Amino acid sequence: DAKTTQPNSMESNEEEPVHLPCNHSTISGTDYIHWYRQLPSQGPEYVIHGLTSNVNNRMASLAIAEDRKSSTLILHRATLRDAAVYYCILKGSYIPTFGRGTSLIVHP
Amino acid sequence: GAVVSQHPSWVICKSGTSVKIECRSLDFQATTMFWYRQFPKQSLMLMATSNEGSKATYEQGVEKDKFLINHASLTLSTLTVTSAHPEDSSFYICSARAITVGGIPYEQYFGPGTRLTVT
Repeated sequence: DAKTTQPNSMESNEEEPVHLPCNHSTISGTDYIHWYRQLPSQGPEYVIHGLTSNVNNRMASLAIAEDRKSSTLILHRATLRDAAVYYCILKGSYIPTFGRGTSLIVHP
Repeated sequence: GAVVSQHPSWVICKSGTSVKIECRSLDFQATTMFWYRQFPKQSLMLMATSNEGSKATYEQGVEKDKFLINHASLTLSTLTVTSAHPEDSSFYICSARAITVGGIPYEQYFGPGTRLTVT
């Protein structure tokens, strides 16, 4: 079973920020939170990961709730190339599973 | 960054034939490789996990005699779909976990996928 819950889809306009939520209420203390995205007909691509603190990289930011039961992937300025399915996955000493993810639609 | 390749990128075969898909880690050694299957508009479903030199561990409901996985080296894993049927038509994606010291914990690098169509 996937251990995360995400909205099925979200929409955004180009150049606007996008906040993609993920709930993981059963997260354990040693689980990492990873985000991947998958463009059509391609394999998933790593976006960002975190454990407890908020993280920034060139692709996105990851905001992790203080109780770690939820997190938010932030795309600061959405572009048309950001249209993809975004997966939030917990990783630990077990085989990670993919949920349905959030399909992000970006309008020009 | 780490690169995983798959070959072929797409294949069409006739029902009853077998198809082999290769997955290679190009610039790193992979202790573990994962094989996923993805049907249209669905998420990735894990089929099996393989460690180099060991037998693959198959997920419940995946026929090990139909989907043969060989992880012969730290850079190559193959998935053979035997006696393929139209219902096996899907997008097959491999993923590799690297032997790393430091770096991203539990990082997985994904291949570009192989589109299999069985006619």
